[in-house]
Amino acid sequence: GQSLEQPSEVTAVEGAIVQINCTYQTSGFYGLSWYQQHDGGAPTFLSYNALDGLEETGRFSSFLSRSDSYGYLLLQELQMKDSASYFCAASNTGGFKTIFGAGTRLFVKA
Amino acid sequence: DAGVTQSPTHLIKTRGQQVTLRCSPKSGHDTVSWYQQALGQGPQFIFQYYEEEERQRGNFPDRFSGHQFPNYSSELNVNALLLGDSALYLCASSLVTEEAFFGQGTRLTVV
Repeated sequence: GQSLEQPSEVTAVEGAIVQINCTYQTSGFYGLSWYQQHDGGAPTFLSYNALDGLEETGRFSSFLSRSDSYGYLLLQELQMKDSASYFCAASNTGGFKTIFGAGTRLFVKA
Repeated sequence: DAGVTQSPTHLIKTRGQQVTLRCSPKSGHDTVSWYQQALGQGPQFIFQYYEEEERQRGNFPDRFSGHQFPNYSSELNVNALLLGDSALYLCASSLVTEEAFFGQGTRLTVV
């Protein structure tokens, strides 16, 4: 079957760095995306990796290793507003279908 | 520039009824995907529409059907509603593979 595994919950303090891991098992894998969703809100796009390596976008970075079927999202200089759910999502070739993980709930403490 | 808009925002239906949800994609986007999100879970892919055709479908029964219009807007129809269909239904539009823009969703409650 097709699935993505990510931790259900992570807690970190303001100003710290946190890494959210994601392992995937999908057919026709093309790329890995990350989305943020606040309670009651819509998912918003954060980052995308189609090639191995690190992609940096401000305080957020994402990494992909295709040979390990593994990726992670790195959040630096955590802020209280970063408290949200984070989803990894695998898209197939052509981007016709995207499978989401169950999400990681991040709690940022003062 | 309006983002993805969905209507209605909330809906209550009775078991066995039919429902139609609507989505207008972000300006310039030609691809629309629909997702079902249960509370505390990730979005589950229902199907994707491109050029008025269903391009790919997830593991949902035939009770779930859709349509895309020439202006790229889309509808999701669910027949013979079950209690388990209660969820947040999200529409996402995209122009390129890697980034999808989501609407605020329609909260469907089946009683």
